[in-house]
Amino acid sequence: GQNIDQPTEMTATEGAIVQINCTYQTSGFNGLFWYQQHAGEAPTFLSYNVLDGLEEKGRFSSFLSRSKGYSYLLLKELQMKDSASYLCAVEDVGNAGNMLTFGGGTRLMVKP
Amino acid sequence: EAEVAQSPRYKITEKSQAVAFWCDPISGHATLYWYRQILGQGPELLVQFQDESVVDDSQLPKDRFSAERLKGVDSTLKIQPAELGDSAMYLCASSPEQQGWEQYFGPGTRLTVT
Repeated sequence: GQNIDQPTEMTATEGAIVQINCTYQTSGFNGLFWYQQHAGEAPTFLSYNVLDGLEEKGRFSSFLSRSKGYSYLLLKELQMKDSASYLCAVEDVGNAGNMLTFGGGTRLMVKP
Repeated sequence: EAEVAQSPRYKITEKSQAVAFWCDPISGHATLYWYRQILGQGPELLVQFQDESVVDDSQLPKDRFSAERLKGVDSTLKIQPAELGDSAMYLCASSPEQQGWEQYFGPGTRLTVT
């Protein structure tokens, strides 16, 4: 089974840096994804980590520690358009193949 | 840019009625997923297809939900009869393969059961 925890809500100021944490427990870890979802819209892919370390992509970076069951998404130079939900999702090797299990999402509000 | 298509975008139905959703994945994507997302929560996998075969449907309420992907391309998710608790966003996603690939999501169908 899967257990994925992330904060429900966070607030940050435009131009600042924010870190969204995700912890997970899984029986067959195969990778971790971060998705962004604006209200009423579909999730869009942000990053994928399968090995330990930091992956940087523009203003967004994602970190993974497999031994700790921990990941974070770092958003720099926050913009108002970054107000959205951020979903942590773990890929698990199950009996029927690889499956993606999503956390509940962290709703980020960026204020001027 | 290729996209996942879903229809309808919005559906209002009365409880005990039947409802169906359609999804057309990105061309060439072998893996197709149906998720249900309740407001304020993350998506929950209902069923996963690899080509025309069901890979996992352990979370699909089989007494009322059914899904098919007969030719391994587009897919239909059906609910019969609909219940009030089925009100949610139904998302379809596709990926080239099962492992290590990002999933591309369609715009979703927002279902309201009255």
